[in-house]
Amino acid sequence: DAGITQSPRHKVTETGTPVTLRCHQTENHRYMYWYRQDPGHGLRLIHYSYGVKDTDKGEVSDGYSVSRSKTEDFLLTLESATSSQTSVYFCATSLRGSNQPQHFGDGTRLSIL
Amino acid sequence: AQSVTQLGSHVSVSEGALVLLRCNYSSSVPPYLFWYVQYPNQGLQLLLKYTSAATLVKGINDFEAEFKKSETSFHLTKPSAHMSDAAEYFCAVSEGNFNKFYFGSGTKLNVKP
Repeated sequence: DAGITQSPRHKVTETGTPVTLRCHQTENHRYMYWYRQDPGHGLRLIHYSYGVKDTDKGEVSDGYSVSRSKTEDFLLTLESATSSQTSVYFCATSLRGSNQPQHFGDGTRLSIL
Repeated sequence: AQSVTQLGSHVSVSEGALVLLRCNYSSSVPPYLFWYVQYPNQGLQLLLKYTSAATLVKGINDFEAEFKKSETSFHLTKPSAHMSDAAEYFCAVSEGNFNKFYFGSGTKLNVKP
């Protein structure tokens, strides 16, 4: 949807290692978002970006950082992965304006052992 | 912050029966509301959105939702369920200048033959 590609699609890693997830979009949408999806919680916002180099925290940002050096790329980093960060991670993009839908990638399934 | 409540984490209907998925929101200002569908191992796809133009909103695949301000509700309906409707459905409300979304916890729809 909206030309959003997430990589990798699956990853297994060990506690304490750094992990970076990538989101790439081809639609030139200004806003980008990272969510995590856990059973019973729906999707929860981790971080978002409202322009190149402009980012802010969402509701579950502890243990995560982001960077956006180009319009099309939004990176999510787990600085030192913990088992509680095992989840499915989704990237989304939208045009400016609060009446705009968000468009989602297919997700990254991350397992931390 | 906004909040969204979806009553019923699992709903089961027979093929051909009415589908009703419930969503209530909290908002101090007129909201922008969205319904998404998620099939297994995929991202979220937009079903429909409410942006104050009309209280009854029609979406894809014969889904529709009615905005009721007095009840702070935005329930999703479909007159006749099809096997292909089996999926998880999420209600979301957007907030603020950067179009941040708050999602409900989701409802899994099972369609029995």
